[in-house]
Amino acid sequence: KAGVTQTPRYLIKTRGQQVTLSCSPISGHRSVSWYQQTPGQGLQFLFEYFSETQRNKGNFPGRFSGRQFSNSRSEMNVSTLELGDSALYLCASSANLDTQYFGPGTRLTVL
Amino acid sequence: SQQGEEDPQALSIQEGENATMNCSYKTSINNLQWYRQNSGRGLVHLILIRSNEREKHSGRLRVTLDTSKKSSSLLITASRAADTASYFCATGKEQGAQKLVFGQGTRLTINP
Repeated sequence: KAGVTQTPRYLIKTRGQQVTLSCSPISGHRSVSWYQQTPGQGLQFLFEYFSETQRNKGNFPGRFSGRQFSNSRSEMNVSTLELGDSALYLCASSANLDTQYFGPGTRLTVL
Repeated sequence: SQQGEEDPQALSIQEGENATMNCSYKTSINNLQWYRQNSGRGLVHLILIRSNEREKHSGRLRVTLDTSKKSSSLLITASRAADTASYFCATGKEQGAQKLVFGQGTRLTINP
């Protein structure tokens, strides 16, 4: 099976802009989770979607949002970008059996 | 905030030696998982151990879990240069819950 894919792999934006990141899970996986990784805060859970519904949410401001489509693909959106949003954004999919399979990540740089 | 605390933060050993990394956590868990990350890329799942298990093996990996001490260890035997990476523990509070809480990681360097 193909692994989790994320697009784009790299992104440069300026403060105040918005960005949309995409994640395609492993075929058959219905759960998609998003994480933010920064040198200072480490890996932090953003949210999880299952069957197009947000099932879990981390402690991030409302500028961070996401959605899941009927084919389980997911997008996350960050509006009004801040410098501190620069990070590696990781998507993970799961067959709902605890183990998560991560994609290569999208590295977002906010200038 | 991070639930897991990993120790040491960095570890450098010679190829062929064993590497041990420790992880402590704060609240009750359903499972604990170890992941590897190479140079800021995606995470690779290594092993999952459930709260009712004490030890698990996978190839050169051995994981222990002590729920009374809220701690876990990952042992990599006969290390190889390709094992150079960052290693993270992550805890899952409920079965099937996809919200993992990660530690800060241990940076492992294997010297040839």
